Amino acid sequence: DAGITQSPRHKVTETGTPVTLRCHQTENHRYMYWYRQDPGHGLRLIHYSYGVKDTDKGEVSDGYSVSRSKTEDFLLTLESATSSQTSVYFCAISESNLNQPQHFGDGTRLSIL
Amino acid sequence: RKEVEQDPGPFNVPEGATVAFNCTYSNSASQSFFWYRQDCRKEPKLLMSVYSSGNEDGRFTAQLNRASQYISLLIRDSKLSDSATYLCVVNPKPNTDKLIFGTGTRLQVFP
Repeated sequence: DAGITQSPRHKVTETGTPVTLRCHQTENHRYMYWYRQDPGHGLRLIHYSYGVKDTDKGEVSDGYSVSRSKTEDFLLTLESATSSQTSVYFCAISESNLNQPQHFGDGTRLSIL
Repeated sequence: RKEVEQDPGPFNVPEGATVAFNCTYSNSASQSFFWYRQDCRKEPKLLMSVYSSGNEDGRFTAQLNRASQYISLLIRDSKLSDSATYLCVVNPKPNTDKLIFGTGTRLQVFP
């Protein structure tokens, strides 16, 4: 299995609080991604990174920010969490963008009350 | 039209049965295709890539039909452990960082 660790695995917090999710990889892959998965929507891309300090938005980026200061770490921040951000969040990595599959972490279950 | 569409199922089949899933995609320029498996409350895991010539991995066969813009997954001799949701994944453009995920087809294999 790809060396991807997400933390925390579960979190419950209140509306309006900041939340940061961490993704750590040991594969030295250039590309990292944050997705959310909700019933009826499948996996939707939030943000992705194609290198240290190089990030771009996905299809559902509103309300989220990311940072990548090291190859191995990709952080997802909800500046002021809302109930609509209750979801399962997955981090993924890939070696390149040339027709390569992505490999996923175990996920973080986030509940915003 | 969604970029990637799958029949959500569930497909309920007995052990030993053969079952097939189709997935359609809307962008004719799509370059690469994958099938992932996702167990309940777990992360998606790559099952197999789909090549133009089709490919087989044990009991699993994946095929690509570019003319009709669909990919298929065939599972022979179904096992109880095959019960999962199968996600169709498409890379819609060359050299893009993004994959498009279908919402998945649920398979339940019963004894």
